[in-house]
Order: sequence, then structure tokens, then C-alpha cells
Amino acid sequence: EAAVTQSPRNKVAVTGGKVTLSCNQTNNHNNMYWYRQDTGHGLRLIHYSYGAGSTEKGDIPDGYKASRPSQENFSLILELATPSQTSVYFCASGDWAYAEQLFGPGTRLTVL
Amino acid sequence: QQKVQQSPESLIVPEGGMASLNCTSSDRNVDYFWWYRQHSGKSPKMLMSIFSNGEKEEGRFTVHLNKASLHTSLHIRDSQPSDSALYLCAASMDSGYNKLTFGKGTVLLVSP
Repeated sequence: EAAVTQSPRNKVAVTGGKVTLSCNQTNNHNNMYWYRQDTGHGLRLIHYSYGAGSTEKGDIPDGYKASRPSQENFSLILELATPSQTSVYFCASGDWAYAEQLFGPGTRLTVL
Repeated sequence: QQKVQQSPESLIVPEGGMASLNCTSSDRNVDYFWWYRQHSGKSPKMLMSIFSNGEKEEGRFTVHLNKASLHTSLHIRDSQPSDSALYLCAASMDSGYNKLTFGKGTVLLVSP
């Protein structure tokens, strides 16, 4: 069964700290995506990847880095977390053949 | 400026009624549209996709697409309380890399 998992599910961080959000997919999809969801903004694309070793900037990449060390794993890194990065973060995977993005359960991040 | 506009922002329909949601892209490069549904506290899940002019029906759900105006609409007949959710429209330039731009969504409440 197609699956996307995220860890942690909840995270409280301090301003200026480093935060790493992890995503794993067992769908063998080439593409993976990181979004954030805020009330009044819908889903906004932060970074995405076409395959292991590749990362691309999405629509709101500032303050975020991404890493795709393998087909299955895609991480989102906040080097210096700020309160404005408090949000719910979703990872998704997809492929040209699939044409549908499958979303993980989300990570709720609070930066104090 | 949001490239994918959805209306209305919220909608209340009685159980058994018809819900109609709208979505328009201001980016003339888009070719593909998706509708995702997100129940409260859950992740988005694809409901329907439409890539060609015309209409597509799946059970109680019907989507229309007018490529000339880049407008798509989702219609839910015989609405059920379980249809209460956030409905997100997404647009993409191609189904390959599948880089989606989401609208802010329409909150649908089906009252028993």
C-alpha cells in the first residue's frame, strides 16, 4: 500500500534553533515535495525533488533547506528557526505515471 | 497574488443538497487541474483530476473544466455530513513533474 510517513508529528523548537523534519515514502515515486499550510494561505510549496541527490526551490524557499539522500527520504531543514515558521508541514510524493500526489500525515511545528 | 483563486471561501449546504465550488487559474501555462479534499486534522487526499475540456463524473462528484477560461468547478450532489471538509483546487503545467499550485480552499459544511 502506498504510504508517506513523517517524523516527528509534533515539534516545539526555540527561536534560532535547528529543526529537521523527515519524510519517508515507500511508493518508489521519483518526486517528493514539502509544503506548509497556514490558515488563509492554503498549501504552499517550499522545496521539491525529482530524485535522489536533487532539490529544487518551490514558491517560498527562504529560510528552508532540503535534502534528498535517497529515493525514499526527503528532509526539510530549518537552520535558524523563527516564530514565522510555526505551521503545519506536509510532505508528499508523486510521479508522472501516478499523476496524484500522496500526502503524509503532517508535522505540526511550533517555534517559540 | 494568488495564482489559483477559489470561491466561495466557505459554503453551507443542507444534507442532500448540491454544493458547487469554483476555481480559476491566472497562469495561462497551466494545463491540468486537481481537486483535493482535506478533513479537519487530516492530510489532503485527491478527489478528482481533470485534464481535458468538458465534464467528468465519479459517483456524487462532477468536475467541469473550461480550458479557455482556465476555470474548473466541482459539484457535489446529495451532499452528506461526511463531505464537510476543506476543498483545495490545484493546477499544474504538466502531469510529469507535477509541481502543483494550490488555491486557499473552500470550507464546505453540510448541515444535517
